[in-house]
Amino acid sequence: QKEVEQDPGPLSVPEGAIVSLNCTYSNSAFQYFMWYRQYSRKGPELLMYTYSSGNKEDGRFTAQVDKSSKYISLFIRDSQPSDSATYLCAMFRTGNQFYFGTGTSLTVIP
Amino acid sequence: GAGVSQSPRYKVAKRGQDVALRCDPISGHVSLFWYQQALGQGPEFLTYFQNEAQLDKSGLPSDRFFAERPEGSVSTLKIQRTQQEDSAVYLCASSSDRGWTEAFFGQGTRLTVV
Repeated sequence: QKEVEQDPGPLSVPEGAIVSLNCTYSNSAFQYFMWYRQYSRKGPELLMYTYSSGNKEDGRFTAQVDKSSKYISLFIRDSQPSDSATYLCAMFRTGNQFYFGTGTSLTVIP
Repeated sequence: GAGVSQSPRYKVAKRGQDVALRCDPISGHVSLFWYQQALGQGPEFLTYFQNEAQLDKSGLPSDRFFAERPEGSVSTLKIQRTQQEDSAVYLCASSSDRGWTEAFFGQGTRLTVV
């Protein structure tokens, strides 16, 4: 079993829709929870991070962490075609490794 | 430079050939990571450096893989006797401190072994 599980999709939504992306994990030692966005043939770029449980909002993006359920989510409101990319969840614990999900491919249709 | 730079961007190697992939991290960044990303998959950890010390190499898939960062800045990932299963994008990331801080990724080197 992988430490981080993520539905690969693909996910296709119309412009303006609310998008929900999710990951589950098995290791309760994870402390930092991140969402990266990766455009085709580019490296991942950090969108948001959360330390421990709770919600964090940044513009159209909201990240949620539920440590009791070992479940994290990213919500994108008013989705735009420019949001089309692969979204990777990642987690970090002491030991200096980032553990990534497989990524969810999102297409926002104009 | 402004970001993490990797070279070459693309590399085609014949099976059995040795390759060297270069990573120039953001200046002053202490931590440096190498990841391998197969097609349609998330990045998988290979190795981690803190300055010039390689503190974790548990993700290197075989003894054909070797990484170094001799002066604590530029790093090289070397793959000897390449195999087809080595075909992947190799990503380098750096961060400014030990422990967790934001890691900045390069664009990766796409290695194709034919």
